[in-house]
Amino acid sequence: DTGVSQNPRHKITKRGQNVTFRCDPISEHNRLYWYRQTLGQGPEFLTYFQNEAQLEKSRLLSDRFSAERPKGSFSTLEIQRTEQGDSAMYLCASSPRASGLRRFFGPGTRLTVL
Amino acid sequence: DAKTTQPNSMESNEEEPVHLPCNHSTISGTDYIHWYRQLPSQGPEYVIHGLTSNVNNRMASLAIAEDRKSSTLILHRATLRDAAVYYCILRDRAEGSARQLTFGSGTQLTVLP
Repeated sequence: DTGVSQNPRHKITKRGQNVTFRCDPISEHNRLYWYRQTLGQGPEFLTYFQNEAQLEKSRLLSDRFSAERPKGSFSTLEIQRTEQGDSAMYLCASSPRASGLRRFFGPGTRLTVL
Repeated sequence: DAKTTQPNSMESNEEEPVHLPCNHSTISGTDYIHWYRQLPSQGPEYVIHGLTSNVNNRMASLAIAEDRKSSTLILHRATLRDAAVYYCILRDRAEGSARQLTFGSGTQLTVLP
């Protein structure tokens, strides 16, 4: 299967710890997006990369959050000093240059902060 | 992005058609209408999109009102696997793929056996 993959699928951590999630987009998709989804709500945009350049960040992305895509392929999302309010599903999506309007989503990483 | 309004939940019987409504009275002339769905424990999945004319694909049909202020996603024969949250989203075609999708709360579809 060549879909978007995310690891880990589940992460439980204690408040104050740092966590890092990885997203592997569909090969040759140059655009990559991170979203956050809390229970009962739709996904909310966090940030967007075109190749290795981070072109857009939501105001939801506080200074405790950082995302990278060093070689324009996989991406990581790090949350420092986690808080209970960070508990959510973190979704990654990718799209090729030509798709324009369509996103391909991964299965997400569910984070629980105790 | 222009706002969309969807019912919180709907029920359907298996193997019957399902019509999922979406109101978007403030839609602009360059807004595409997108539908995504999210199955339990999965990321959202693209379903269909359209601008003015009705659209069909292997998953569903999209019926767009003549004034474009509302649209309906049609699943022709619902199966248990169609139970999901369905999101109606508007995207300006002038923005290109750099703009993020703005999801609302969607419609939770329950399919009864």
